[in-house]
Amino acid sequence: ETGVTQTPRHLVMGMTNKKSLKCEQHLGHNAMYWYKQSAKKPLELMFVYSLEERVENNSVPSRFSPECPNSSHLFLHLHTLQPEDSALYLCASSHPNGLAGGPNTGELFFGEGSRLTVL
Amino acid sequence: ILNVEQSPQSLHVQEGDSTNFTCSFPSSNFYALHWYRWETAKSPEALFVMTLNGDEKKKGRISATLNTKEGYSYLYIKGSQPEDSATYLCASSRYGGSQGNLIFGKGTKLSVKP
Repeated sequence: ETGVTQTPRHLVMGMTNKKSLKCEQHLGHNAMYWYKQSAKKPLELMFVYSLEERVENNSVPSRFSPECPNSSHLFLHLHTLQPEDSALYLCASSHPNGLAGGPNTGELFFGEGSRLTVL
Repeated sequence: ILNVEQSPQSLHVQEGDSTNFTCSFPSSNFYALHWYRWETAKSPEALFVMTLNGDEKKKGRISATLNTKEGYSYLYIKGSQPEDSATYLCASSRYGGSQGNLIFGKGTKLSVKP
């Protein structure tokens, strides 16, 4: 139990559906992240939020839309996805290191992931 | 190198064997090196975060070393147990990199047979 909870754990959706992934942390962290893991690829950073502001968007297509309403919650809204978007989506949180925009020495606390299948 | 490379990709050992894995990372503008342990169907869990050249950290039977000048880190497991079976990820961050932008390797998958 890492203190980071993701729902749903599994999601199957069609290419025209709209769905959302949810992440919640009760660790008092104020930085939250979305990572993507595709088969046989390393974890790829998608988005970073620090103090509820997006500080990183790693060239992610607009069909993925993040939302951070407060420092404990992070959403990833999904719309008109493609089959190649099928992957494990991991949420993480941490204490940001120093000023926003600095590199990260703080360990990441991950959720268990949401396994997404796009048909 | 620009990416984080881990070797071997997978490893099968017997209970009681000691083992080690390698992580290679960009040495220029190095800031921090992270090791994570990821068991199947669970979340990745941090083992170590290291920043100083020559640093060595230990947690029980697991230890890690860091060489920032040549850009590599070793993870050692002494007397492997079946519960050590997991994928071990390393990740590095660099000065000039943005917050949270850890670059991950593909991991080393360890299987320990009883």
